[in-house]
Amino acid sequence: KAGVTQTPRYLIKTRGQQVTLSCSPISGHRSVSWYQQTPGQGLQFLFEYFSETQRNKGNFPGRFSGRQFSNSRSEMNVSTLELGDSALYLCASSLNGASTGELFFGEGSRLTVL
Amino acid sequence: DQQVKQNSPSLSVQEGRISILNCDYTNSMFDYFLWYKKYPAEGPTFLISISSIKDKNEDGRFTVFLNKSAKHLSLHIVPSQPGDSAVYFCAASAGGNTDKLIFGTGTRLQVFP
Repeated sequence: KAGVTQTPRYLIKTRGQQVTLSCSPISGHRSVSWYQQTPGQGLQFLFEYFSETQRNKGNFPGRFSGRQFSNSRSEMNVSTLELGDSALYLCASSLNGASTGELFFGEGSRLTVL
Repeated sequence: DQQVKQNSPSLSVQEGRISILNCDYTNSMFDYFLWYKKYPAEGPTFLISISSIKDKNEDGRFTVFLNKSAKHLSLHIVPSQPGDSAVYFCAASAGGNTDKLIFGTGTRLQVFP
């Protein structure tokens, strides 16, 4: 079956702009989690959506937001971009939730903020 | 506050030898632990997991050990192969449906011939 698909794979933005990233989970998976990966910081949890509801949220400012649609596809948005937002953003899907089993990750969206 | 720590950013091991990757955690509520492997330009992939009711779980060349009193887990790869060269992340959660999965900072393993 198809894996987790993230779009776009690469993008470049300037400070102050906003960006929207998309994630299509594995068919049948109801949970979508988002992580930010930066050098030296590992994978920092952003949020998890389950059946269109935000189930959990990490310690990121309100500029970071997300949503999940009825088909389980998810988007995350970052407004008023800062240089420090440059990172690889990873989306992961799972059947019942991020903390209960294996996560299946997409290849990520690499954001560069200039 | 880094609840899951991987204090070795890198590890270099000769092919055929044992690789030992370590992970420490601070939250005593964590009861489910996983290891993920990540190659460049790819997303992480699940490797092996262990719940707190066990102290060891084995899958082929990969074994995870859990020491709850020390809040420490380790991943053993025996024998190490060049294809094992990747970044390894440990992760932990308290297991509840609404709990989040917390990842460590990763250890880059290089297996040389």
